[in-house]
Amino acid sequence: GAVVSQHPSWVICKSGTSVKIECRSLDFQATTMFWYRQFPKQSLMLMATSNEGSKATYEQGVEKDKFLINHASLTLSTLTVTSAHPEDSSFYICSANSFGQGRTDTQYFGPGTRLTVL
Amino acid sequence: QKEVEQNSGPLSVPEGAIASLNCTYSDRGSQSFFWYRQYSGKSPELIMSIYSNGDKEDGRFTAQLNKASQYVSLLIRDSQPSDSATYLCAVCPNDYKLSFGAGTTVTVRA
Repeated sequence: GAVVSQHPSWVICKSGTSVKIECRSLDFQATTMFWYRQFPKQSLMLMATSNEGSKATYEQGVEKDKFLINHASLTLSTLTVTSAHPEDSSFYICSANSFGQGRTDTQYFGPGTRLTVL
Repeated sequence: QKEVEQNSGPLSVPEGAIASLNCTYSDRGSQSFFWYRQYSGKSPELIMSIYSNGDKEDGRFTAQLNKASQYVSLLIRDSQPSDSATYLCAVCPNDYKLSFGAGTTVTVRA
């Protein structure tokens, strides 16, 4: 149980294009999903918290107009990197709380999406 | 002061030995504590969660929590080469958000 998927697993795009990353909870409902970014040899950095049916809450320093988050259902959240630039190249990872499966403060992580912007 | 601090690595242990990982946190009101394992190039994988003072064992892993000292640790017994990874300590102070430590990289020598 508590499986989270992400798609795509990796993407290469040209500078200036937008990239959408999907995060799905496969066997549970996720009222809250989290989006992280991780640069090489660094720890996870929380970008935003996404709640189903409401606007995402962004961490300080994260541009909400650049990183658009939509949490349309209890099993799907999307992150769109708009007008991507090389400095946005990173490993993007989503996680979800397992609502209805024991404690709701346990986060299960998706496999991540490696974004490379040329 | 960082919210979550882990002992700096890398930590190198011989196969079969015990690997000991330490973590301290600053928010005394924290109630939930987690250890994640992250292989290079992969996303974190939950190993253990612990909520009460004392020890919690799961297979070769034992988590220890001391809220008075604001300290949580992870012991890996009979370390295997497959245990070589970065171990992340995570603390949940509030609002279900996790605060992560920088991680400790463990290398198990065959």
